[in-house]
This record gives sequence, structure tokens and C-alpha cells, in this order.
Amino acid sequence: DADVTQTPRNRITKTGKRIMLECSQTKGHDRMYWYRQDPGLGLRLIYYSFDVKDINKGEISDGYSVSRQAQAKFSLSLESAIPNQTALYFCATSDFQGPTQETQYFGPGTRLLVL
Amino acid sequence: AQRVTQPEKLLSVFKGAPVELKCNYSYSGSPELFWYVQYSRQRLQLLLRHISRESIKGFTADLNKGETSFHLKKPFAQEEDSAMYYCALSGTSGTYKYIFGTGTRLKVLA
Repeated sequence: DADVTQTPRNRITKTGKRIMLECSQTKGHDRMYWYRQDPGLGLRLIYYSFDVKDINKGEISDGYSVSRQAQAKFSLSLESAIPNQTALYFCATSDFQGPTQETQYFGPGTRLLVL
Repeated sequence: AQRVTQPEKLLSVFKGAPVELKCNYSYSGSPELFWYVQYSRQRLQLLLRHISRESIKGFTADLNKGETSFHLKKPFAQEEDSAMYYCALSGTSGTYKYIFGTGTRLKVLA
């Protein structure tokens, strides 16, 4: 679904560097999410935002920060990257109309390697 | 603890055989259950949700509240069903939750 885009698609960085992963959406959804995917651990929620002024920590927010610059943009930052943050990162949006009607729409993922 | 468990990392079946991908959940409340699928080189996408009671691509899933399970089934597997499947739940008991399982890779052999 090209409505959710992520940049960059691949990134190699060094320990201690600050990096930002960006997510943009044209779906008009208020809700946006950042997940990381690790082999054997599935998808884990890092941060989520229900609207521009509502940002919440997920289950693994330590070492990460986010910025919701606009309804369409949600950025994830690693303030000081460490090797165990090497993972595949996904951005998602959702069309929340109630807990039984929420579908999440995923971006293509950003593959991050921290050396 | 609130979690979604998919006990099988890999499930291999032959074409035409029945498929069952297992999903169990633990949640203090009444969650909504979903199955997502990721085909090779494609994005993760919703396959079906419990509330819709629908069959998508021949797949169905029944919520068993007694066993806290939401297994995904298809009577006759096709090669194009080969993909990664994730079970997920959402709920608002306490804080908002949208929890994914660890995923099961389904391989359908010719």
C-alpha cells in the first residue's frame, strides 16, 4: 500500500550516532505507530500516536523518541544508536472506528543495522 | 500478562492439505482478534478479523473464548498461501493495546 511510506528503506549506522526514521501517510488517518520486528519476537510496539498532540509509549520505548510533526508525519529517532537496535522497523497507520473495527496499514519497513 | 502466542514458527504442508495456524491469547477483557499476512516482498496486511465472521481467500478463524484461541484454518492449502502469518489482538481494557504474536511461516509444498 503506497499510502504509507518510510525513509530510508535501509540504513547502516555506527554505535552512538543519532538517526531518524521517517514515516509519511496519505491515508488521512489520525493514528500512527512504530514497531520493530526481530526474528522470533514478532512485532513489538515502540510508540504510538492517536493524533498530533497525543503520543504514547509502547512496550519497548527505551532508547527511542518520536515526533508527530503533522497528521501525515511520524518520525522515530534513536538518540544514540546501539547494536541491539539492529532490526526491521515498521510504521503503520490505522482507521480506528472502535476497538472492533481497527485495521492497521503498514509501510514497507526500514532495515537498520547498527555497527 | 497480556500476550498473543503462536506456537509454531514454521508450518509446512502439501498443496491440497488442510491448514491450521494456531493462535492463543491472554487478555483481561474482551479483545478483538485479527490475522495479518505478509507475502514475499509485500507489506504486512490484514487478512481477516473476528468481528467480520468472513472468509478471505478460503481462510476462516473462529474465536474460542473458553480456550482463548483464534486459530486460522483453510481446508485446502494452495502454493500462493505461502507467507508469514501474524495473529493480533486489540483491546482497551486499561491502556490501549494492539499486540502481535511472533508469527508463523507457512510453506505450502507442491
